[in-house]
Amino acid sequence: AQTVTQSQPEMSVQEAETVTLSCTYDTSESDYYLFWYKQPPSRQMILVIRQEAYKQQNATENRFSVNFQKAAKSFSLKISDSQLGDAAMYFCAYMYGGSQGNLIFGKGTKLSVKP
Amino acid sequence: DTGVSQDPRHKITKRGQNVTFRCDPISEHNRLYWYRQTLGQGPEFLTYFQNEAQLEKSRLLSDRFSAERPKGSFSTLEIQRTEQGDSAMYLCASSLTQGDKNIQYFGAGTRLSVL
Repeated sequence: AQTVTQSQPEMSVQEAETVTLSCTYDTSESDYYLFWYKQPPSRQMILVIRQEAYKQQNATENRFSVNFQKAAKSFSLKISDSQLGDAAMYFCAYMYGGSQGNLIFGKGTKLSVKP
Repeated sequence: DTGVSQDPRHKITKRGQNVTFRCDPISEHNRLYWYRQTLGQGPEFLTYFQNEAQLEKSRLLSDRFSAERPKGSFSTLEIQRTEQGDSAMYLCASSLTQGDKNIQYFGAGTRLSVL
C-alpha cells in the first residue's frame, strides 16, 4: 500500500527567509503524481504545487518549488521569501496515475511565520 | 465559478442520530470525492463518483455511511446512527476526468461533532 510520511509536525520560519518541508512516500508504481496542499486555519485546502513522476524537472510556482528525488522517494517543498500569509498546515499527497484519482495524504506540517 | 461548496459548515448532533451533508462541486467537474479529516491527521479518502456512478469506496466507509450523487451534480453523504468516533471534518473535492492535471479542488468542509 502506498504511504506518505511527513516527519516534521511543526516548522517555523522568519518572514522573508526560506524554509523546506520534507515528505517521503512509498510506492511500487512508476506512474503517479505528487502534490503539496496548503490548509489555512478554518479555510479550505488549496493546491500549492504538483509534480508528475515521469518528469525529471522539478516543479516551480512563484515562491514555491519542489525537490523531487524519485529514487529516494522524496518530495520536499521549498518556500522562498516567506510571507505571513504562508502560515498554514501543509499536506503532501500522492496519487497513483492509474487509479480513479483518490489522494493519499501525509499527516501534515504546521508552518508558522514569524514577523 | 464559486468553487466547491459544502453545507452545513458545522453540525452538532447527539449520538444515534442521522446526519446528512451536501456537496456542490465545480459545475463542469465530473468527479467528486469525499474525505474525512480528524484532528491532527491528513484527509483520508472515503469514496468517489464519476458522474452519478459511485466507483470506489474505502474500507473506512462503514455500512452506516451512504453517499449519493443522483444526477451527477451535487452529492450527499449520510451517516446513520452516529457515533462519537464519527466526529471529524468531512471534505468534498471535485475534479475533471481529463485535463486540469488531475487537480482536486476542495470545499471548506463540514465539521461534525457527535455528543
